[in-house]
Amino acid sequence: GQQLNQSPQSMFIQEGEDVSMNCTSSSIFNTWLWYKQDPGEGPVLLIALYKAGELTSNGRLTAQFGITRKDSFLNISASIPSDVGIYFCAGRTTSGTYKYIFGTGTRLKVLA
Amino acid sequence: DAGITQSPRHKVTETGTPVTLRCHQTENHRYMYWYRQDPGHGLRLIHYSYGVKDTDKGEVSDGYSVSRSKTEDFLLTLESATSSQTSVYFCAISEILAGPSEQYFGPGTRLTVT
Repeated sequence: GQQLNQSPQSMFIQEGEDVSMNCTSSSIFNTWLWYKQDPGEGPVLLIALYKAGELTSNGRLTAQFGITRKDSFLNISASIPSDVGIYFCAGRTTSGTYKYIFGTGTRLKVLA
Repeated sequence: DAGITQSPRHKVTETGTPVTLRCHQTENHRYMYWYRQDPGHGLRLIHYSYGVKDTDKGEVSDGYSVSRSKTEDFLLTLESATSSQTSVYFCAISEILAGPSEQYFGPGTRLTVT
């Protein structure tokens, strides 16, 4: 099935550093969602984006809907140990489908 | 947090036995989904529902069936469980309107088929 290309696949960072990750697609999307998943739990929605060029923040997290509508970016500023987890992007195409397509995930590890 | 519960949360079953997983929502959302999550594959859609008694297949629907007799409940059935169906299963809901749409996930069910 179709998946989004998400990068990086994993990253180790020092506490206090900023983090960037992105998702790209061959299809145009009208919705981008970013999730965080902790071990043994379901994905939790962090940020939702609905318009090309939109920039939305949630605390230390900032996400952007790419102007081409084929990509999205998530930034985490001043990382802390509890940011550890897997971050997923998800998108919904403009074809009127009810389905969401998911990225492969970025595993983030923060070193105190 | 969205009001989504899944039951059971953990289950171990034997090959060839039927298994039913339940998803219950209190949000009155129209759309419900079942995904499986496996290492190296991410989240893959099994089936989804766009209303009571309205369901459709996802990308990995073979060996699974679903039913939705009430807005709040979406059942996933493995008619005859196989070891390849060992996975973590997530239910999700959304209320897709003409514009904005968000999808929320349940806590998951870890299924082991021995």
